[in-house]
Amino acid sequence: EPEVTQTPSHQVTQMGQEVILRCVPISNHLYFYWYRQILGQKVEFLVSFYNNEISEKSEIFDDQFSVERPDGSNFTLKIRSTKLEDSAMYFCASSERRGEANYGYTFGSGTRLTVV
Amino acid sequence: GEDVEQSLFLSVREGDSSVINCTYTDSSSTYLYWYKQEPGAGLQLLTYIFSNMDMKQDQRLTVLLNKKDKHLSLRIADTQTGDSAIYFCAENFSGGYNKLIFGAGTRLAVHP
Repeated sequence: EPEVTQTPSHQVTQMGQEVILRCVPISNHLYFYWYRQILGQKVEFLVSFYNNEISEKSEIFDDQFSVERPDGSNFTLKIRSTKLEDSAMYFCASSERRGEANYGYTFGSGTRLTVV
Repeated sequence: GEDVEQSLFLSVREGDSSVINCTYTDSSSTYLYWYKQEPGAGLQLLTYIFSNMDMKQDQRLTVLLNKKDKHLSLRIADTQTGDSAIYFCAENFSGGYNKLIFGAGTRLAVHP
């Protein structure tokens, strides 16, 4: 069964450093998403991406964050100048289409980011 | 704003039925979902229900939707130890670009 692949599975970084979280969505999917889950809290929407541009972002997704699809297969989330409160599990997801017929995404296994 | 609420813990005996409840606020949601998260793993789509349905059965899983009360439940029949996980309710937020709004998750513990 097709999978969404995320790397690395766990990243530890020092406060103030930049990190790039990588995702390989399912190959025929057109919509891409990042979500995050702070330990013990809800899974929160960060951003959706379609046709090489951001289609929606949450208020969490400020100038510290950016996304890119550099080569047609990878989908990356960059976090500049990381803060302690950025520590969370980050999930990538992809879906084939949006709209009423879309009945679910495929999520990756997540990258656990620890900022120290 | 949109919100999804779930109880945080449920403990059941192996072989019993589990019922996990969820309430949501967006009455125009198109789809409602149940995801399962095992330790260290990602979010696995378990089942979903379209908003014009009130019940869906899929093997041991039964989803009930009460649109009037905006209440969704997941019943797991004959609960097994392998069902121990966190279960997330999510709604497809109609006002957004297909984003999902998740609850905080219900941790299901199955004991012998």
